[in-house]
This record gives sequence, C-alpha cells and structure tokens, in this order.
Amino acid sequence: SQKIEQNSEALNIQEGKTATLTCNYTNYSPAYLQWYRQDPGRGPVFLLLIRENEKEKRKERLKVTFDTTLKQSLFHITASQPADSATYLCALPSSGGSYIPTFGRGTSLIVHP
Amino acid sequence: GAGVSQTPSNKVTEKGKYVELRCDPISGHTALYWYRQSLGQGPEFLIYFQGTGAADDSGLPNDRFFAVRPEGSVSTLKIQRTERGDSAVYLCASTPQGGGAPETQYFGPGTRLLVL
Repeated sequence: SQKIEQNSEALNIQEGKTATLTCNYTNYSPAYLQWYRQDPGRGPVFLLLIRENEKEKRKERLKVTFDTTLKQSLFHITASQPADSATYLCALPSSGGSYIPTFGRGTSLIVHP
Repeated sequence: GAGVSQTPSNKVTEKGKYVELRCDPISGHTALYWYRQSLGQGPEFLIYFQGTGAADDSGLPNDRFFAVRPEGSVSTLKIQRTERGDSAVYLCASTPQGGGAPETQYFGPGTRLLVL
C-alpha cells in the first residue's frame, strides 16, 4: 500500500505570499495525484488532479507539480489570502490499478492578514 | 441537485451500543465510499460500493462494521457493539462512475461519532 507524508506542522504565512505545501510518497509511483481542501467541520473538497505525465498543473492561483523521480508533489497558492486558511490533503491511488484514494494526513495552512 | 448529505451530523452513544449512519449521495452517482477520519489524520478508506454491491470492503476494521446500499443510492454504515476507539468523523463520498478512471470524490459533511 501507499505511504504518504505531509508536514504535520501548520504552515503560517503572511497574506500576499506564496504558500508551498509538500506531499511525499514512498512506494510505487501513482498514475495521478489529487489535492483536496478541508475546512473545519466539513468534508474535503477537490481542487486539482495531476497525472504522472504532467509536470505541472495550474488553476487560478493554484499550481501543482509532480516529480515522479523525487516521489513528490508540491502545491502552491500564490497571492495567498486569509480565506485560503484550511487543511490541504493530497491523495493517491491506494495501489496500482486502484482508483480508491489513500489520503495524507494533511497540512494546515494559516494565512495571516 | 444537492451535494452529498449525511445524517445525523453528530451522534453520541454509549460503549456497546449499535449505531447507524446514513449517506445520501449525489443523485445518479454510481459509486459510494465510506471513510473514517480521526483528529489530525486524513480520511481512511473503509468500503466502496459500485451500485448496490460492495466492490471493496478491505478497509473495514473488523466484523463490527457493516455497510449496505440496497437500492444503489442511499447507504447506511452500521457499527455494532461500539467502542470508544470508534469515535471519529465518518465521511461519505460519491463519484459518477467509480473504477476505470480517476474521479473527483464529492464528500459529505460527515457524521461526528462520539462513543462514551
């Protein structure tokens, strides 16, 4: 099964700066990787999916990279806002050929005004 | 039209009791997933339904946990003889197809279960 590592410590940044969150995995290289946002007391909400043959994916102020050599994905939020404060989860297929996601523990982002 | 809904939003029960948690997926979504999320952790997979059948129940921790989806829409997660360690948020998600391609998981708000 896949093991996913996300920094358990909260990331505190100032409004307007770029937030960068890391997702590392240790076993097989997945065909794709997803990022979700979770607010307190709510279920995760899908943000972006990046496939193994894509180095980078963008959506508005969000950018995701996927480095299969490093077994790492980086999630960037540019021009961060206090409303971006949430927990961000990465998810990968639980095993080769599976579409059931395994989630990381998530990293809490706090954007200070 | 609406998203995934789950009831109850909160459930407090006593050790040893039986509980049922309900999930209403997005209309027309074939696949339904149950997860359990403990504080500070990501969602942990429990079971996945494709239509009415449980396609993968490998995440159910033991035989006290059972889930059904008799008509291929609403699903109920059943926990017998609850233990304090069962306390967590139980999340439900649905996807249009399930299997065959990566899909966006649409999550409900979860049911917060507290076993005293």
